[in-house]
Amino acid sequence: SQQGEEDPQALSIQEGENATMNCSYKTSINNLQWYRQNSGRGLVHLILIRSNEREKHSGRLRVTLDTSKKSSSLLITASRAADTASYFCATDPIQGAQKLVFGQGTRLTINP
Amino acid sequence: EAGVAQSPRYKIIEKRQSVAFWCNPISGHATLYWYQQILGQGPKLLIQFQNNGVVDDSQLPKDRFSAERLKGVDSTLKIQPAKLEDSAVYLCASSLDRETDTQYFGPGTRLTVL
Repeated sequence: SQQGEEDPQALSIQEGENATMNCSYKTSINNLQWYRQNSGRGLVHLILIRSNEREKHSGRLRVTLDTSKKSSSLLITASRAADTASYFCATDPIQGAQKLVFGQGTRLTINP
Repeated sequence: EAGVAQSPRYKIIEKRQSVAFWCNPISGHATLYWYQQILGQGPKLLIQFQNNGVVDDSQLPKDRFSAERLKGVDSTLKIQPAKLEDSAVYLCASSLDRETDTQYFGPGTRLTVL
């Protein structure tokens, strides 16, 4: 079963603009992770935020987590053409054996 | 450090045929995962191994799918017989252990069932 719901499903912006993607989930989690998938390739881990953290930065990435609303957002600043990819949030549920539950993803297109 | 290796990268078969995928995880990684990713969706976990034991296979269609990791290193995933709805990318991932949060993914095998 997929726990995460990403919004929007697709996003198209101009190079240099900021991109924001949102993720909502249903059950209590240990942490939430964001992964990137380029077309036809495997997933690459971007950033992890633990349930007791509210915000985390990594380079041009900024992730927020609101456990009361069961939601997270990923902000990519100063976007580049190379950021064109699908972005997935994945939750590590407290209950159950499954380690990561992925959302449906947001397809991000950066136009030059 | 070598990444997760998978083969083949692409496979086209007729329905009712059998197919097998192979995965070699990162050296030293005890935990291995197989995911199915249907076009336009996120990856769905099929099976998780800890060394050569199964941790979770609750979403594996056991009537047609099987997986093994006999020596706790390489793993194979088999589909027998394949159905049209099995067309997807099959991703293998590994992590240092069950408690490690980051998973490292291979490039995947794209399966087309005709």
